[in-house]
Amino acid sequence: DAGVTQSPTHLIKTRGQHVTLRCSPISGHKSVSWYQQVLGQGPQFIFQYYEKEERGRGNFPDRFSARQFPNYSSELNVNALLLGDSALYLCASSLVLARSTGELFFGEGSRLTVL
Amino acid sequence: QQQVKQSPQSLIVQKGGISIINCAYENTAFDYFPWYQQFPGKGPALLIAIRPDVSEKKEGRFTISFNKSAKQFSLHIMDSQPGDSATYFCAASQTGANNLFFGTGTRLTVIP
Repeated sequence: DAGVTQSPTHLIKTRGQHVTLRCSPISGHKSVSWYQQVLGQGPQFIFQYYEKEERGRGNFPDRFSARQFPNYSSELNVNALLLGDSALYLCASSLVLARSTGELFFGEGSRLTVL
Repeated sequence: QQQVKQSPQSLIVQKGGISIINCAYENTAFDYFPWYQQFPGKGPALLIAIRPDVSEKKEGRFTISFNKSAKQFSLHIMDSQPGDSATYFCAASQTGANNLFFGTGTRLTVIP
C-alpha cells in the first residue's frame, strides 16, 4: 500500500511568489494535517482537514491556506513567500481525526527554499 | 512559547549502550505523548506512545517512562544500534485538539 505521497519533493521560489504543495493521504484515511519543519526544529502544526472541512489551524498568517478535495487529497498554498517560509512541509494523514487514533502517518515532505 | 521542551539536542552513544532522551511539558491538559523517529530525507514515523494512565510502556528495545507529577517523560533505547541513528522528537497533545506539539528534536548517533 502506498503511504502518504507529497509533491513536489523539492522546489525553489523567490520572495513574493506563490507556492502550492500537494498531498495524497493513505487510502482510506480521511484526515490530512499539514506541518512546517524548519531546519533543526520540530514540526509545527499548520492545518488539519477532516472530511473536507478545516478542523484546526495553527499560529500561521493568512498567507497560508489549504483545502481538501472529495478524494481526501489536499493542497497547501502559501502566498507572498518570505525567506522565513523556507522549510520542509510535511503532510500527515490519519484514519479519523488524529487525536482519536493517536497516530499520524507522515509523508516525506516538500522541501521549499525561498531565495 | 515551546510547549514541549526536549533535551539533549544531540547524543552520541556506543553500540550496545542505553540512549536516554528527556522531555518536559507545562500544559496539564496534555494526555497523549508520542515519540517520533526521523531519518534524513524522510518524514517522522511513530515509534511509541503513552497515555498518562500508565507510568511506563515498553515495545522491544524502546521504553517510555512517564512522570505525571513532574510533567516529564523520557525515551530509553536499550542496546542501541547504529541503525537507531536518527533524530527523535517527543510530542504531546490533548483530547479534543487537532494538533501535536513537537519538541525540538534530539539527533542520536550510535557509534559502532
